[in-house]
Amino acid sequence: DAKTTQPNSMESNEEEPVHLPCNHSTISGTDYIHWYRQLPSQGPEYVIHGLTSNVNNRMASLAIAEDRKSSTLILHRATLRDAAVYYCILYGGATNKLIFGTGTLLAVQP
Amino acid sequence: SQTIHQWPATLVQPVGSPLSLECTVEGTSNPNLYWYRQAAGRGLQLLFYSVGIGQISSEVPQNLSASRPQDRQFILSSKKLLLSDSGFYLCAWSVQGGFIGDTIYFGEGSWLTVV
Repeated sequence: DAKTTQPNSMESNEEEPVHLPCNHSTISGTDYIHWYRQLPSQGPEYVIHGLTSNVNNRMASLAIAEDRKSSTLILHRATLRDAAVYYCILYGGATNKLIFGTGTLLAVQP
Repeated sequence: SQTIHQWPATLVQPVGSPLSLECTVEGTSNPNLYWYRQAAGRGLQLLFYSVGIGQISSEVPQNLSASRPQDRQFILSSKKLLLSDSGFYLCAWSVQGGFIGDTIYFGEGSWLTVV
């Protein structure tokens, strides 16, 4: 299974943008890049996903490198409710499995 | 709209006792179904996934088993619990045969403490 690499933790201030990086140098041509986040004591929540082009939705933006070996999740204005573990996952291709790594713990300071 | 229900929400079981966690999905047909586990302070580990009734794939050798007796029902079981089975168990589903890389939706989880 293709793997991703994320920083263990990051900090941000409230109301400021946050850029969460993810490296996935072994990505295959059919793998989608998914982002989920998990708040304490809750199941993961879908954030965004993309294949090649940058994507935007009401929660975040996803910037995908041209060679697709890395991507960045962008939270435009962090709030205290955005404090969570963010997972970058490769999904699709030949498998039906969503394999989670260790993710990035985002702390948001008021 | 689709919903996923998982129960019980919390349980405390003695070592050596059996386990049954149940998950049902509503509002969709023939979903992919998944069981994940998260030990305290750890990431999510995929335990089982199913693409159809009676079709179960196991990701890790362990003390647990899964069954899918009906299209939208997924059950996680153990005959004899170990202390190491403690954790947060999550059921999830995705569209079967749908868009490759489709979103996975998670239930609210079940906290299991083995004592």
